[in-house]
Amino acid sequence: DQQVKQNSPSLSVQEGRISILNCDYTNSMFDYFLWYKKYPAEGPTFLISISSIKDKNEDGRFTVFLNKSAKHLSLHIVPSQPGDSAVYFCAASPAGAAGNKLTFGGGTRVLVKP
Amino acid sequence: DTGVSQNPRHKITKRGQNVTFRCDPISEHNRLYWYRQTLGQGPEFLTYFQNEAQLEKSRLLSDRFSAERPKGSFSTLEIQRTEQGDSAMYLCASSATLGVQQYFGPGTRLTVT
Repeated sequence: DQQVKQNSPSLSVQEGRISILNCDYTNSMFDYFLWYKKYPAEGPTFLISISSIKDKNEDGRFTVFLNKSAKHLSLHIVPSQPGDSAVYFCAASPAGAAGNKLTFGGGTRVLVKP
Repeated sequence: DTGVSQNPRHKITKRGQNVTFRCDPISEHNRLYWYRQTLGQGPEFLTYFQNEAQLEKSRLLSDRFSAERPKGSFSTLEIQRTEQGDSAMYLCASSATLGVQQYFGPGTRLTVT
């Protein structure tokens, strides 16, 4: 079963507008969540993370929101730039095991149009 | 730049052959992870090491797969008797012991013909 899901396989947005990427999880043991960005022929690059004790974390143009009751998180990119065009993965790590294996969603491909 | 490096970047092999991949983590990182990514999917966990100890293995890691991390530095992932279903991107990542964030290498793309 897929414990982390990204239901939108792709997203197209105009440069300067907001990109919103969504992620749902089923495992209540997850308590740390991360977003990675991946360009073709490169490994995933860490973007931003959030602990389950928070509901929001912001870093520059990137903000992650966590709704524990709904088991849902989202990544907001404002403003979107052409260089943000990539595949974005949501990942989760279980409680009491910080640094252990990450469970990834299937990814969302973002295209930012100039 | 001393990020995570992986070699080779690409490997084409015939079914039934053995292949070995190498990963060099960030030097001060004690934890090292292997993931596999197939087309259109996110990375899937295979195994991880804390220093030289292999602490967890996924059910995805069949008997044909073996990973080592001698001396707690670089790691190798060997696949014996490769099958076409083994074709994938094999990603290595490392992290500090107390860190959740993992740093990924560029991956090794395996094609089994």
